[in-house]
Order: sequence, then structure tokens, then C-alpha cells
Amino acid sequence: KAGVTQTPRYLIKTRGQQVTLSCSPISGHRSVSWYQQTPGQGLQFLFEYFSETQRNKGNFPGRFSGRQFSNSRSEMNVSTLELGDSALYLCASSWGRMGSTDTQYFGPGTRLTVL
Amino acid sequence: DAKTTQPPSMDCAEGRAANLPCNHSTISGNEYVYWYRQIHSQGPQYIIHGLKNNETNEMASLIITEDRKSSTLILPHATLRDTAVYYCIGTSYGKLTFGQGTILTVHP
Repeated sequence: KAGVTQTPRYLIKTRGQQVTLSCSPISGHRSVSWYQQTPGQGLQFLFEYFSETQRNKGNFPGRFSGRQFSNSRSEMNVSTLELGDSALYLCASSWGRMGSTDTQYFGPGTRLTVL
Repeated sequence: DAKTTQPPSMDCAEGRAANLPCNHSTISGNEYVYWYRQIHSQGPQYIIHGLKNNETNEMASLIITEDRKSSTLILPHATLRDTAVYYCIGTSYGKLTFGQGTILTVHP
């Protein structure tokens, strides 16, 4: 079974631009979560989507947004990029079952560099 | 999510067992203990999880104390490829709250 895939793997943008990252979950998984990893803050939860709806949200500004499509693929968008947005962006997929353990499996990440 | 405490770093000789401790004294009754590891800038890799009972899979064993306030991840025969940052997380569902983890270095 194929794992979680993320595209692109590497991206260089300049301040003020916007960027869209893509994540394809494991087949059958309906939940996609996004995380940001930086050397200073570590791994931080951004948001989770399930059945095309945002179900959970972390503590990030509104410049960070996402969406999920009917095939469970997800995209996240960062508008008006800042230098501090340089990070490894990870997505994780799971079945999305509420009220029970539901293991998340991570993709390889997208390395975003903002110049 | 439960707050977890892990030692910042540990060393282990290749071929020996690596025992990684985690304190989660604030864990609630429905929160599972999850372990992930991250090898240099790759995505975190799921290792194992448990609620109350000890668990074992092909990668590792998880020992959870009876009061559930701490746990130990055991890699029975560590190899150089096990060098990574290991994260212990207490969660009931949804977002994973990662701490700083333990940097495990396996030496030849």
C-alpha cells in the first residue's frame, strides 16, 4: 500500500508570495493533518481535515489555510509569506475515527524556504 | 493532551537494547501513549502505541507502568539506523502534540 505523498518536496519562495502544498493520503484514509516543523518551535499542529471539513485547528494565523477534496487529497496554502514560514511542512493521514485510537502516518514533508 | 517529559539525549551500543523512558504523569484515562521517531528531516515514523497493557510489534516493545504515569520504549537490538529523535506523545484523538523528544545515538 502506498504511503502518504507530498508535493513538491522542495520549494523556494520570496517574502510576500503565496504557496500551495499538496498531500495525498494513504488509500482509504479520510483524515489529513498538517504540521509545521522549525528548529525553534519543533513540530506544531496546523489543522486537520476530515470529509472536506476542517475538524481541528492549531494556533496559527489566518495566513495558513487548507482544504480537502472529495478524494481526501488535501492542500495547504500560506499567503503573504514571511521569513519565519521557512520550515518543513508535514502532512499525516489516518482513518479519522473519532473516539478511538487512530494512528497518523506521516509523509516525507515539503521543505519550504522563504527568501 | 498529556504533557510528556523525555531525556534530551541517550546513547546506546549497536546490538544492545535501547530503553527510552517517558514521563506522562498528567495522562488521562482515555489517552493513549504513542511513540514516533524522526530520522534527520524525514517525516516522523510511527513505532508503537498503547493504553494500559504492554505492547510489542516488529519494531519495538512498549512497557507502560500500572499507574500509567510513565512508559519505556524498548528497541531490543539497536542498529545504527535506529539513530533518530524519538517522541513520546499522550493523546486521545486528533492532533499530536510533539515535545522535544530524545535524541538516540547508536554507536558501533
